[in-house]
Amino acid sequence: QKEVEQNSGPLSVPEGAIASLNCTYSDRVSQSFFWYRQYSGKSPELIMSIYSNGDKEDGRFTAQLNKASQYVSLLIRDSQPSDSATYLCAVRMDSSYKLIFGSGTRLLVRP
Amino acid sequence: DVKVTQSSRYLVKRTGEKVFLECVQDMDHENMFWYRQDPGLGLRLIYFSYDVKMKEKGDIPEGYSVSREKKERFSLILESASTNQTSMYLCASTLLFGATYNEQFFGPGTRLTVL
Repeated sequence: QKEVEQNSGPLSVPEGAIASLNCTYSDRVSQSFFWYRQYSGKSPELIMSIYSNGDKEDGRFTAQLNKASQYVSLLIRDSQPSDSATYLCAVRMDSSYKLIFGSGTRLLVRP
Repeated sequence: DVKVTQSSRYLVKRTGEKVFLECVQDMDHENMFWYRQDPGLGLRLIYFSYDVKMKEKGDIPEGYSVSREKKERFSLILESASTNQTSMYLCASTLLFGATYNEQFFGPGTRLTVL
């Protein structure tokens, strides 16, 4: 069983819609959660981090964490074609320095 | 802003060659990481280092070694390059302690092709 799971997509949404990306993880003691955006041929770029249950908002992005259900999600409001990319979920488990990455969800925002 | 740089964006090498990939960060981060990224396999950790001259194996260390002689520089070495090491190689760094110590920042990546 993969430790961090994401639907590979593609998730296709029209411009202006809300895109909802989901991630589940296997380790109940996971501490820290991250969303990275990766454009084709480029390196991952950190867009959100979340450490406690609930919502965290930053501009058009909202990260949601539910530790009891072991999932973390990313909402992108007012989606733009420039948001089209692969979104990677990453989790730090227990006291390790390491992040465990999901395989990513490809998002396509249609003009 | 954190700046992580890698020595090459694209590299083509022949089977059996010794390959050096260099990574430098300018934010005094203690931790540095080397990943490779392949389609369908995601990001896989090769090695990481939490201090100068300290290193730990990641999930796929076979065929690789690393060197960290200075805090800002972390090198990945392919002792004898093979075609199955053709990949995108990504370096990342993060603080050891502090409010944002988990946040890894990536360099631009090196796309290595081994012929």
